[in-house]
Amino acid sequence: EVQLVESGGGLVQPGRSLKLSCLASGFTFSNYGMNWIRQAPGKGLEWVASISSSSSYIYYADTVKGRFTISRDNAKNTLYLQMTSLRSEDTALYYCASLITTVAFDYWGQGVMVTVSS
Amino acid sequence: DIVLTQSPALAVSLGQRATISCRASQSVSTSSYNLMHWYQQKPGEQPKLLIYDASNLASGIPVRFSGSGSGTDFTLTINPVQADDIATYYCQQSRELPLTFGSGTKLEIK
Repeated sequence: EVQLVESGGGLVQPGRSLKLSCLASGFTFSNYGMNWIRQAPGKGLEWVASISSSSSYIYYADTVKGRFTISRDNAKNTLYLQMTSLRSEDTALYYCASLITTVAFDYWGQGVMVTVSS
Repeated sequence: DIVLTQSPALAVSLGQRATISCRASQSVSTSSYNLMHWYQQKPGEQPKLLIYDASNLASGIPVRFSGSGSGTDFTLTINPVQADDIATYYCQQSRELPLTFGSGTKLEIK
């Protein structure tokens, strides 16, 4: 069974940094692209970043480019999102999602909350 | 960026058909694929993939969900609607970066 479990969220002051993790199990993590998607409270879904299986291809939304870094450790079956220079508008539930069976986001974690506030 | 437009809400009676539409600001189809996908999100839960490539049912999804469309106009159909289908439905395109989602359609029971 595919499982994606996010961690690392919390309350952080504007301008500070935070690193999210997503531990994957139930599939061969190193074979598939992975993504971060976020959802601000009461709002819709926003794609944040994608990384290919071997980290050769990395893409970001313009809203986070230059501030966030997506990475992965295939030996640890873990996806990361390093977030720096955080802003209040980054407050959201952050989901990791896989691309295993299709080019759509086929499996999602339960999400981890990031709150940026002084 | 490709903008996906959805109606905010739809009210349907139980047992009836629900048709949720998504219009893209430019084509999301290639010569081989229609790169539009549909997700269901219930309150307090993560989104769940329903339909990929416009018309393919994701694993474990009931056959009363179906999708259609090509180019810029796509539809998610639920027939018949059940009480468990109360949720917000999002379309998403993977034709080009940035990947974008529609703003969601909240399905309500009439």
